[in-house]
Amino acid sequence: EAGVAQSPRYKIIEKRQSVAFWCNPISGHATLYWYQQILGQGPKLLIQFQNNGVVDDSQLPKDRFSAERLKGVDSTLKIQPAKLEDSAVYLCASSPVNSGNTIYFGEGSWLTVV
Amino acid sequence: GESVGLHLPTLSVQEGDNSIINCAYSNSASDYFIWYKQESGKGPQFIIDIRSNMDKRQGQRVTVLLNKTVKHLSLQIAATQPGDSAVYFCAENGSSNTGKLIFGQGTTLQVKP
Repeated sequence: EAGVAQSPRYKIIEKRQSVAFWCNPISGHATLYWYQQILGQGPKLLIQFQNNGVVDDSQLPKDRFSAERLKGVDSTLKIQPAKLEDSAVYLCASSPVNSGNTIYFGEGSWLTVV
Repeated sequence: GESVGLHLPTLSVQEGDNSIINCAYSNSASDYFIWYKQESGKGPQFIIDIRSNMDKRQGQRVTVLLNKTVKHLSLQIAATQPGDSAVYFCAENGSSNTGKLIFGQGTTLQVKP
């Protein structure tokens, strides 16, 4: 079974530029998550989708971050404009149901803002 | 507020010894806990999970212990191998029933040959 796919794996941009990350979850997984992991810290949830609806975006900096999952399968996370403190790994994850089940992570998209 | 923490940022063990990684959580409403392993440059990888109606669960070379009285979680790795070197995170589901996980800071396990 294919895992969670993410692209690009690495991205370097200047501050105030924009960037977009793409994620394709495990086939059949209804729930999709975007986590931000700053170096040396644990992942922090940015946004959670159930099919194409948002379940939790309470920690998403909505002035610069946006995410969508229009058809309930793959998802895009965008940052515009980027700040230096956005340098982190952006992890996409998915799970089959939305209550207490194991979350499976992709390899992450590594963002460096200079 | 909700928080999950690990007691030690780095744990160094000799190859072949047993490792114990500890985690404290603060949300008594959490009923699901997971341990993840994260190797350098990779995403977190599921190791083992446990629900609050259990106090112990065993996997292959790993055991998770849950003490709800003191809100403590531990991961035991038997016969630690060099391939076990990684950062280990505990995570809990908190008071939410949406399935999201709250992660601790992580403990780096270093295995000396």
